Amino acid sequence: GQNIDQPTEMTATEGAIVQINCTYQTSGFNGLFWYQQHAGEAPTFLSYNVLDGLEEKGRFSSFLSRSKGYSYLLLKELQMKDSASYLCAVMGEGGKLIFGQGTELSVKP
Amino acid sequence: DAMVIQNPRYQVTQFGKPVTLSCSQTLNHNVMYWYQQKSSQAPKLLFHYYDKDFNNEADTPDNFQSRRPNTSFCFLDIRSPGLGDAAMYLCATSRDRGPGYTFGSGTRLTVV
Repeated sequence: GQNIDQPTEMTATEGAIVQINCTYQTSGFNGLFWYQQHAGEAPTFLSYNVLDGLEEKGRFSSFLSRSKGYSYLLLKELQMKDSASYLCAVMGEGGKLIFGQGTELSVKP
Repeated sequence: DAMVIQNPRYQVTQFGKPVTLSCSQTLNHNVMYWYQQKSSQAPKLLFHYYDKDFNNEADTPDNFQSRRPNTSFCFLDIRSPGLGDAAMYLCATSRDRGPGYTFGSGTRLTVV
C-alpha cells in the first residue's frame, strides 16, 4: 500500500527553527517533494529530493533518507507569513504524486 | 511567463447540473494531471493524460470525465455533481512524467 505520515499540526515562535517530519512507504519512488499551501490556494513548490542528503535553499532545507523512508523540511528564521500547511508528496510510478495529509504550521509572535 | 492557468478560480454549480472546469498551459508539457483536494485533506489524483493517452485512477468515480483536445488544454467534466464533490480541483503538468511539476492556481468548486 501507499502511506505517507506527517504530523497534523505544529506551533512555533517567530524567529525560531522548526522541523517537519515525513515518513513514507510507497510502491515506487521517484523523488520526494515539499509544498507550501496557504488556505484556499494551490500548493507552491518548496523542494525536491531524489538522492539522500540535505538540500538547502535560503531559509528552507529538506533532507531525505531513502533507506529509512524519511524526510524532513527545516524552516529557519520563522516569519508570520510561514503559517501555512506543508505537504509532503512522493512521486510514485507514472509520475503520480502521493500526498501526505499536510502539517498545519502556526507561527506565533 | 509560461504557466498553468485554471478557469474559473471559483465555480458554483447546482446539485446534479453538469459542470466543466478548464486548464490551459503554455509550457508545452505533454502530461496533464487533475487532482481533487477536499477540505483539510490531501490532494488525490483523479486521472492524467500522457500525450493523448488517458489514464484513469482505479477509484475515480464514473461521474468524473476528462477531455484533452490539444496539448495546451485539458477539461474536467463532472456529469452530475453531488455535495460530496465540493473541493479544490488542481491541474498540474509535467514533461514525460518527470519531476518538473507545475500546478495551476486551482478551481474551488461549490455545489449548492
